[in-house]
Amino acid sequence: AQSVTQPDIHITVSEGASLELRCNYSYGATPYLFWYVQSPGQGLQLLLKYFSGDTLVQGIKGFEAEFKRSQSSFNLRKPSVHWSDAAEYFCAVGAKAGTALIFGKGTTLSVSS
Amino acid sequence: DAGVIQSPRHEVTEMGQEVTLRCKPISGHDYLFWYRQTMMRGLELLIYFNNNVPIDDSGMPEDRFSAKMPNASFSTLKIQPSEPRDSAVYFCASTTQSGGQKQFFGPGTRLTVL
Repeated sequence: AQSVTQPDIHITVSEGASLELRCNYSYGATPYLFWYVQSPGQGLQLLLKYFSGDTLVQGIKGFEAEFKRSQSSFNLRKPSVHWSDAAEYFCAVGAKAGTALIFGKGTTLSVSS
Repeated sequence: DAGVIQSPRHEVTEMGQEVTLRCKPISGHDYLFWYRQTMMRGLELLIYFNNNVPIDDSGMPEDRFSAKMPNASFSTLKIQPSEPRDSAVYFCASTTQSGGQKQFFGPGTRLTVL
């Protein structure tokens, strides 16, 4: 079955500390992988995506993610978190262009001062 | 570009009433998706269209839900009759074949059925 698992429902990080959000997927075809961020009351904004090539991808707002095929993982990282990063983060997987995305349940990030 | 536009942003209705949610995709995008977000189930695909034709509606919960895309710039999601368990945030997203699966999401419609 195709699925995305985000093991952490809620994470709290101190401002300035590093962040890693976990994502594991199960997908039959070659996966296209995404991380989206959702601020309260807002839609989803794409942070970064992986299709092929370099397994470390850079995104907006200083985020990066690493694709590890052997672990079926696509973890999101940021070296230094800012208070404005507090939001909900969704990992998603899809196939070729024009197919629906399968989303994880999301991880809520809180940033403490 | 205005992005994906959804209306209304908030809808409160009573059980049994008909609800219509609207979406205007980004101009030039030929794929349109309707998702539903709830606390219990997260983000789920309801239906998606390609060139105005429904491709996969397996996520539509039941016959009370219907979606149309009469032209490339407009889609509706209708619930008739509405029930309290339909309360959720409904998102519309669009993309294009050349966009490599980068889906652009609208701000969502928060539906509350009393």
